[in-house]
Amino acid sequence: DVKVTQSSRYLVKRTGEKVFLECVQDMDHENMFWYRQDPGLGLRLIYFSYDVKMKEKGDIPEGYSVSREKKERFSLILESASTNQTSMYLCASTPPQGVNGYTFGSGTRLTVV
Amino acid sequence: AQSVTQPDIHITVSEGASLELRCNYSYGATPYLFWYVQSPGQGLQLLLKYFSGDTLVQGIKGFEAEFKRSQSSFNLRKPSVHWSDAAEYFCAVGAGSGGYNKLIFGAGTRLAVHP
Repeated sequence: DVKVTQSSRYLVKRTGEKVFLECVQDMDHENMFWYRQDPGLGLRLIYFSYDVKMKEKGDIPEGYSVSREKKERFSLILESASTNQTSMYLCASTPPQGVNGYTFGSGTRLTVV
Repeated sequence: AQSVTQPDIHITVSEGASLELRCNYSYGATPYLFWYVQSPGQGLQLLLKYFSGDTLVQGIKGFEAEFKRSQSSFNLRKPSVHWSDAAEYFCAVGAGSGGYNKLIFGAGTRLAVHP
């Protein structure tokens, strides 16, 4: 089975800190995605990547950046964390012919205090 | 712009009762449609998908969904709910080239099951 692993299940960070959320997949997928999940809003796409060193903005990229130096790893960066970035963050991956939909990680619940 | 609407935020059913979760989408082309389930504290798991062909699709855990183009709907159904089905359910439409490269999700429906 494809595995998408997010390095932390829970994180607590202070306002203004630089935060790194890591995601690794083990099936050589080209496409990787970062979503945030908030009650009543569903999942909203932050950034995605079709290949190494390639990235595209999603619907809510403000306050975030990403890095994809290796195919299997896709990092989400909060340059200066703010309390309104407290959320559940979900990483997903899929091959180019993604007929089976996305494979999601278990999520990272980030609290910014 | 593409969008997905799940009209019901919360639904409560009794164990053994039938279930229907509603999903309406807005998309200009032939949609790629998905239903995912999320158990508490977990990521999302794919229940079923529709790309083309038979409009009634079967998924895992006894779920099925019917695509109705005239109503822009893709409702999820299960004939007899089990207590383990309590979770949050998300409908999604695939946008972008190929239809699967970017998923747009609804706000979700939280299902509670009474014994």
